[in-house]
Amino acid sequence: IAGITQAPTSQILAAGRRMTLRCTQDMRHNAMYWYRQDLGLGLRLIHYSNTAGTTGKGEVPDGYSVSRANTDDFPLTLASAVPSQTSVYFCASSAGTGTHEQYFGPGTRLTVT
Amino acid sequence: AQSVAQPEDQVNVAEGNPLTVKCTYSVSGNPYLFWYVQYPNRGLQFLLKYITGDNLVKGSYGFEAEFNKSQTSFHLKKPSALVSDSALYFCAVRPALGDTGRRALTFGSGTRLQVQP
Repeated sequence: IAGITQAPTSQILAAGRRMTLRCTQDMRHNAMYWYRQDLGLGLRLIHYSNTAGTTGKGEVPDGYSVSRANTDDFPLTLASAVPSQTSVYFCASSAGTGTHEQYFGPGTRLTVT
Repeated sequence: AQSVAQPEDQVNVAEGNPLTVKCTYSVSGNPYLFWYVQYPNRGLQFLLKYITGDNLVKGSYGFEAEFNKSQTSFHLKKPSALVSDSALYFCAVRPALGDTGRRALTFGSGTRLQVQP
């Protein structure tokens, strides 16, 4: 089934550790996004990529980095995790950045202890 | 900067009754507006969008939304609610014009819809 996959499904991580959340899409979408979802705050954009080879900062980029080496993959890295990064992380993609809707992956639940 | 307000944390409705989930927005220029639904432990699913044209937009699962420019609103509606509609609903907005950084999609905080049998 075409769509977006994320790995891992969930993770418990010690503070200070490095972690990469994986995201892969098979829809050949140009644009990809990382959001975090926290209770009462909705979804907040961390980083985005309008096309392979380019990335940009969203609303809450501090402590996170991304890369977009090819169309399909958009990994999110926490260089040194902190408890405030405990959240549910969603990857999304869209065919373009204008009128196109976004398609979301199933999410990664991350707990930083 | 754009923003979205969903004034109700939760909406309760009886099965078979009409439902409305409210959304108001603030954006520079014309908006592109979206509704998404999230079921427990799942990612968001696209329901419908307003880009231009007819103010009444029809989407998936019998949902529709009405764009009202003067009230800067985009309320989600359904004529007859089902228990299976119970979920978390998000409204989102992006400006139609501007550089891609400022045109990121901004989400509301979500409204939980509870449909009672």
